[in-house]
Amino acid sequence: GAGVSQSPSNKVTEKGKDVELRCDPISGHTALYWYRQSLGQGLEFLIYFQGNSAPDKSGLPSDRFSAERTGGSVSTLTIQRTQQEDSAVYLCASSQKLPGQGRRTDTQYFGPGTRLTVL
Amino acid sequence: AQKVTQAQTEISVVEKEDVTLDCVYETRDTTYYLFWYKQPPSGELVFLIRRNSFDEQNEISGRYSWNFQKSTSSFNFTITASQVVDSAVYFCALSVTNTGNQFYFGTGTSLTVIP
Repeated sequence: GAGVSQSPSNKVTEKGKDVELRCDPISGHTALYWYRQSLGQGLEFLIYFQGNSAPDKSGLPSDRFSAERTGGSVSTLTIQRTQQEDSAVYLCASSQKLPGQGRRTDTQYFGPGTRLTVL
Repeated sequence: AQKVTQAQTEISVVEKEDVTLDCVYETRDTTYYLFWYKQPPSGELVFLIRRNSFDEQNEISGRYSWNFQKSTSSFNFTITASQVVDSAVYFCALSVTNTGNQFYFGTGTSLTVIP
């Protein structure tokens, strides 16, 4: 079946502009995550959506970052007034967490990422 | 606090050699999950394995094997008879149940297999 898809694959923008990154999770996956990977670095958690619960925004680096998940499926990560330090690959992942699983951890499946370059 | 350490930043081996990638984790939770992901040059993270904290049995999948030792908080990954296609960045990750489904990733080990 189809995996996690992200668009655009590459985005070049000027400092100060706003950008929107899109993630389409695997069909049926209730959990969705955004990560940031700077050059040569590990993955930095940004935000986590689980069903209709309030998202875990604890990883967002500043109030310029926000994310939405409409209809429990597609998610959009928005970065306002971009800065050069925002340049990174933004990765989206989804996992299937069924009702009643409580705190069980499920494997995350990743999309190909969006490479953001802020000039 | 949770933490994953991959002390090896870069490793180079000659094809057909065995190589072990180290992963050390920290958590005070008794229930947790450990993962390995592969990130080839194409960039997409590929899931390799998931283990829970109650299962210390080592696992082998083809040329891949994993050694989970709670006593040393390690979850090492060995590739036997390495191949050029194994060249990638490998990430170890930890997830603990009391933080929902958040993953804590190590900084990755870049493996280069030289033909």
